[in-house]
Amino acid sequence: QLVLTQSPSASASLGGSVKLTCTLRSGHTSSNIAWHQQQPDKGPRFLMKVYSDGRLYKGDGIPDRFSGSSSGTERYLTISSLQSEDEADYYCQTWGTGIPYFFGAGTKVTVL
Amino acid sequence: VQLVESGGILVKPGESLRLSCAASGFRFSDGWMSWVRQAPGKGLEWVGRIKSRRDGGTSDYAAPVKARFTISRDASKNTVYLQMNSLKAEDTAMYYCSTDGGITEAGIFDNWGQGTLVIVSS
Repeated sequence: QLVLTQSPSASASLGGSVKLTCTLRSGHTSSNIAWHQQQPDKGPRFLMKVYSDGRLYKGDGIPDRFSGSSSGTERYLTISSLQSEDEADYYCQTWGTGIPYFFGAGTKVTVL
Repeated sequence: VQLVESGGILVKPGESLRLSCAASGFRFSDGWMSWVRQAPGKGLEWVGRIKSRRDGGTSDYAAPVKARFTISRDASKNTVYLQMNSLKAEDTAMYYCSTDGGITEAGIFDNWGQGTLVIVSS
């Protein structure tokens, strides 16, 4: 069982919104997580860090339409007012609780 | 912050290779650094990290590469290295370096390079 589970794909219309879920495995439910975006043929880009208590801090220059939240074992990334450039893979990742660091398998977002 | 990886090439199984990551735009000597890889069509996988000299300068590795890979740093060149020995086909991947958040935020990869491609094939 993976430490972090993400749905393989999600889609929404241009201008719409999409909510991505990252589920923490039992034993890692208090983990902090980070979200990264990877556009096609590019390196990853840090979006935000989410503490287990729900505190959230975004990376420099990340638009307001990217937001995060938590509920129990789930961590969420919501993208509002979807733009074409938001079409990318999105990865969640554990941090702060020791090594190794784990990544989810990623969610591919398609903008319709 | 800018991170520029280099050194990726096609190598044969069992061979060695050293990747470099040139860093600029931040106090390199105080920063922890990590390497993350991505096999073709796959997700991200943490490879290893090196702490700052101030925090001990030690390195840690993921299980698949432990004993084969070594991370080092040269403060005079603002560069971190990934020495890869006994390469296997499954090491084929794009290799990214990233800044790592340090003691208080270990594992926060808030800056990434563009990657360098390593192909291991006979």
